[in-house]
Amino acid sequence: DQQVKQNSPSLSVQEGRISILNCDYTNSMFDYFLWYKKYPAEGPTFLISISSIKDKNEDGRFTVFLNKSAKHLSLHIVPSQPGDSAVYFCAVLTGTASKLTFGTGTRLQVTL
Amino acid sequence: NAGVMQNPRHLVRRRGQEARLRCSPMKGHSHVYWYRQLPEEGLKFMVYLQKENIIDESGMPKERFSAEFPKEGPSILRIQQVVRGDSAAYFCASSPQGAGYGYTFGSGTRLTVV
Repeated sequence: DQQVKQNSPSLSVQEGRISILNCDYTNSMFDYFLWYKKYPAEGPTFLISISSIKDKNEDGRFTVFLNKSAKHLSLHIVPSQPGDSAVYFCAVLTGTASKLTFGTGTRLQVTL
Repeated sequence: NAGVMQNPRHLVRRRGQEARLRCSPMKGHSHVYWYRQLPEEGLKFMVYLQKENIIDESGMPKERFSAEFPKEGPSILRIQQVVRGDSAAYFCASSPQGAGYGYTFGSGTRLTVV
């Protein structure tokens, strides 16, 4: 029973263009969402988060949008850079606010 | 300011052996979390520990797996009598308080069972 879904396993974007990564969740009670970035042979690193009281959070080139009615969030990276090539996981805070439930990830390839 | 340290980075065990994975949290962090990533899957929560206490082990398999975080020393994830299906990357994370907001992950231990 997948509570957090990333339906696109991979995405290829040209350098300088916008990358849009999508994530859907099943439980309308979820209230805190995070995006992590992961390079091969490394642990995930925190990128950006959003609380359910907001619909947008921005940090430099990264913006996360939350659509609560659709139970959907997206990560926008603009402009995309080759160093952004990695696997991106969305996650929700569940349980007693101590447990992260991750999606299966989207592999982003930024081409020259 | 060292991050979360996990060792070994790679561990090969034969079926039936024991695997011990170590995690030293960031300085000042007293909350430790273990996650497992199977091939082509996302990370799955296993266990959440504070010093000398298991807070949430709802993601731990019922048998062969155990975790501890002693008063002194690193957190240990122990897998007894390993099977091929235990082959995965095991990640440890730490935080200064019991919330997911401030997780810092280690680089992981890749366990291969042959």
